[in-house]
Amino acid sequence: QQQVKQSPQSLIVQKGGIPIINCAYENTAFDYFPWYQQFPGKGPALLIAIRPDVSEKKEGRFTISFNKSAKQFSLHIMDSQPGDSATYFCAARTTVSSGSARQLTFGSGTQLTVLP
Amino acid sequence: DTGVSQNPRHKITKRGQNVTFRCDPISEHNRLYWYRQTLGQGPEFLTYFQNEAQLEKSRLLSDRFSAERPKGSFSTLEIQRTEQGDSAMYLCASSFGQYNEQFFGPGTRLTVL
Repeated sequence: QQQVKQSPQSLIVQKGGIPIINCAYENTAFDYFPWYQQFPGKGPALLIAIRPDVSEKKEGRFTISFNKSAKQFSLHIMDSQPGDSATYFCAARTTVSSGSARQLTFGSGTQLTVLP
Repeated sequence: DTGVSQNPRHKITKRGQNVTFRCDPISEHNRLYWYRQTLGQGPEFLTYFQNEAQLEKSRLLSDRFSAERPKGSFSTLEIQRTEQGDSAMYLCASSFGQYNEQFFGPGTRLTVL
């Protein structure tokens, strides 16, 4: 069962454009939503994360928008650069009692290409 | 380098052989995770350690897989009698503290011929 659905699968934008990647979740127990960036041959790197008590979070050129009622969240990359070309994964996690795994459930990824 | 490290980075083996991977987490992190990532997919949770105790295992972790974290430091993941379907990137992540932000290693790419 895919608990976090991510779209689009791939995205091509020109330098300076604002790519938007969307995710939707089903499990209402999720309460932490990170985004990871992965380059070929590397492990995922944490970019930015949001909790459901806020609707937006900005860090540098990266912004997460969160809609709790719709159970959706999205990543916006402002002034995108060719160096941003990578695969982006959204993820979600529950926060439960101490000792539980609190593992991440990942979306299927979006391959972003930023053209020079 | 103070990040999560994994060895080897690449492993090619023949079907039926056993393989072992190692993960060294960030030194003060008490939580350690193993994930598996296949081509074109996001990582999938395999197992979790809090200090030296293995507290959760995914149903993806068949009987051929075993993981250990002696003394709560590094961890090993062993796959016995490898199958072609085991070919994947095996990722280790570690975390610490209330917000439990997980930091990933570079992964070990396993190819089973």
